Amino acid sequence: AQSVTQLDSQVPVFEEAPVELRCNYSSSVSVYLFWYVQYPNQGLQLLLKYLSGSTLVKGINGFEAEFNKSQTSFHLRKPSVHISDTAEYFCAALSGGSNYKLTFGKGTLLTVNP
Amino acid sequence: EAGVTQFPSHSVIEKGQTVTLRCDPISGHDNLYWYRRVMGKEIKFLLHFVKESKQDESGMPNNRFLAERTGGTYSTLKVQPAELEDSGVYFCASSHGTGRYEQYFGPGTRLTVT
Repeated sequence: AQSVTQLDSQVPVFEEAPVELRCNYSSSVSVYLFWYVQYPNQGLQLLLKYLSGSTLVKGINGFEAEFNKSQTSFHLRKPSVHISDTAEYFCAALSGGSNYKLTFGKGTLLTVNP
Repeated sequence: EAGVTQFPSHSVIEKGQTVTLRCDPISGHDNLYWYRRVMGKEIKFLLHFVKESKQDESGMPNNRFLAERTGGTYSTLKVQPAELEDSGVYFCASSHGTGRYEQYFGPGTRLTVT
């Protein structure tokens, strides 16, 4: 069965510092990977996705992620964070084929401090 | 284009009562999904509709949960009778047809069973 692991439940950083949120997945078949963000009191918003092609994926708000098949990772990065990036971030995977259900990690709470 | 909407945003009910959650997907999206996040846990898949048909309901916890999608448009998720462990945030998501893997989420309904 598909599983997604987000190793860090909380990541505190200072404003303008770089950040990396880690995500590892397990799958023996082709996989599609996603990062979602949930700002306080809001729903889940798609940040970026990897379906195929280039392993470096750029998303909204200056975030990017790199698909690494050999390490089964899909880490999310931003070179300089803002206070407004404070949110919970979810990594999710979807196996290929007709199975459309997303498997989520437990989420990482990113807190950006001034 | 309007996003996925959910109603109500919050619901507080007593154990043994019935609650019905509603989801309106993005217009034209054939796929509709329900997910749930219990406090402290990951977001978990409940079921998937393709138009009005249930494609996959493997995540439904038990027969106290009933989901319907009338005419392939909006969907309802009824919990009857509610138990304490049903508390959590219920998310609805929708996506376009075959081959379009991005799922767009609603703001969620926070259900509290006391």
